[in-house]
Amino acid sequence: QQQVKQSPQSLIVQKGGISIINCAYENTAFDYFPWYQQFPGKGPALLIAIRPDVSEKKEGRFTISFNKSAKQFSLHIMDSQPGDSATYFCAASWLRLTFGEGTQLTVNP
Amino acid sequence: GAGVSQSPSNKVTEKGKDVELRCDPISGHTALYWYRQSLGQGLEFLIYFQGNSAPDKSGLPSDRFSAERTGGSVSTLTIQRTQQEDSAVYLCASSLGLAGDNEQFFGPGTRLTVL
Repeated sequence: QQQVKQSPQSLIVQKGGISIINCAYENTAFDYFPWYQQFPGKGPALLIAIRPDVSEKKEGRFTISFNKSAKQFSLHIMDSQPGDSATYFCAASWLRLTFGEGTQLTVNP
Repeated sequence: GAGVSQSPSNKVTEKGKDVELRCDPISGHTALYWYRQSLGQGLEFLIYFQGNSAPDKSGLPSDRFSAERTGGSVSTLTIQRTQQEDSAVYLCASSLGLAGDNEQFFGPGTRLTVL
């Protein structure tokens, strides 16, 4: 059973645009929601994370929006850059991480 | 300090052979996780170890898969009688603890190819 659903599967944006990736979860026991960024040939690396008692968290160009009642959260990348091109995974945690399926982001110059 | 390391980085084996994959976690991290990432797919949880507690093996796909963690540090994932569907990147991660907001640090993975 897939407990974290992520969309879209792939995303192409122009440099300077906004990239938006959405995730939905089912298990209300999850208490921590990180986003990971993965470049080809590398392991995932933590990008930004949020706890469910907060509705929004911003770090530089990256923002997580969290809707606890809808059990949804999203990653917004402002002023997207070609260097942001990577695969992004949302995850939800309770003892261990459950990952979404991933979004392949391509930012065209 | 050193991050999570995994060896080998690549492993090619023949169907039916056994393989061992190694993970060296960050020193002092009590929690260690194994994940599997198939081509273009998300990360599938396999097993985690936390301190001296019994490991959570709920993600292991079959009894051909097993893992050990010796001395609370290095871990070995063993796949017996490998099948072609076992081909994937096997990722190891470690964290300070199991609590939800303990960041998991990932190694670079071992790419396993079963011919």
